[in-house]
Order: sequence, then C-alpha cells, then structure tokens
Amino acid sequence: ETVMTQSPATLSVSPGEGATLSCRASQTIRSNLAWYQQKPGQAPRLLIYDASTRATTIPARFSGSGSGADFTLTIRSLQSDDFAIYYCQQYNSWPLTFGGGTKVAIK
Amino acid sequence: QVQLQESGPGLVKPSETLSLTCTVSGGSIKTNCWSWIRQPPGRGLEWIGGVCSSGSANYSPSLRSRVTISVDWSNNYFSLKLTSLTAADTAIFYCVGGANNVFHYRGQGVLVTVSS
Repeated sequence: ETVMTQSPATLSVSPGEGATLSCRASQTIRSNLAWYQQKPGQAPRLLIYDASTRATTIPARFSGSGSGADFTLTIRSLQSDDFAIYYCQQYNSWPLTFGGGTKVAIK
Repeated sequence: QVQLQESGPGLVKPSETLSLTCTVSGGSIKTNCWSWIRQPPGRGLEWIGGVCSSGSANYSPSLRSRVTISVDWSNNYFSLKLTSLTAADTAIFYCVGGANNVFHYRGQGVLVTVSS
C-alpha cells in the first residue's frame, strides 16, 4: 500500500498571500496524483490531476507540480473562498490512498 | 454533466449490514472507474474500494473482509455493502468516479450513523 503524507497539517495564511502544500508518497507514483479541496459540509472537489493538470473550472491561481514521490500544491494570492482542507490522492496502484489533509486557515 | 446520487439508510444498528447505492446519470457508467470513500466526523478521507469497467473490484486492506462493491453496468448504478458494523463505521459516505480513478465526479454524501 502506498502511504501518502501531507505537510503541514495546518497552514495559517493571510488573504492575498500564497500557500505551498506538500504531499509525499512512500514509493514512486509517477505523476498519478490528484489534489482535492473540501469545505465544511461539502464533498471533496477535484482541483488538480496528473500532478499538474487543473480540473475544469479551477482558477489559474492553483497549480500543482512534482513527480515520483514528492508533490506540491501552490495557491497564489489566497482568496476567502480558498480557506479549506486540501487532500492529495494517489491513483498509481490499488489500493487508492489519500493523504491526511492540510487545513489552510485564515491568519 | 455526470451526476451521482447516493441512497440508503441514515441509521444502522451495530452488527448489521450497510447497503448503499449510487445512481449515475448524465453519462455512461461503462467508461469510468467508480469508488466509495468515507469520512468519519471531524476526520480525513478514507478510500473504501472501487472498480473499473476493465476489471474486478479492489478494496482497502483494512476493510476487505467486510466490503463488497458491485456494479450494474446496464442500469448505471453501483453499490456498497459493509458488514458487521460498529460505531467506528459512523461516517459520511460518498460515491465518486472518473477516468483512471481520478474523482472528477462525486455525490453529495450520506451520513450513516451506527447506533442501537
């Protein structure tokens, strides 16, 4: 099983600032990584897949990078709508696995 | 626009079996992979199991002994059965799906409480 580790657990950011979230896999997953955003009371929403491809309707301030085992989600100039929990997920092999999440909180 | 809708009971007794169904509309169920995930209150996302049209179902190792996922490829729905429930299984259950196990599509979720 591929274990996904996200850091930090919580990131406090002021609106307008940028944020960098990390996700590490316990073994190589090539570029088979997705990022999701979840707000309270809502289902997780796909942001990024194939490590760096934005999903439909996702604004350009969200970007993903990395391959192999180390990945990054970057959010430029955070807006109020971006404060949420972010999860990474690998789909390189069964069983599929999620990271534990990073909460982006208002500073 | 593909839409998913979960259906099933919101309250199940300990030791009983949970059965949930996810109806897929607005697109064909045959061209994607489909999974169930869950989220205990205040905690993170957990993948339960899934299936692609090209193969058999796969499950989380921690739940494999209690889970069955089946797909009705002709009628556009897939189902989850989880046996021997305990309070630890209380969670919001989501059905999700998309190409190559990327969850482009998701249901709104159903809260399942395990309690007598």
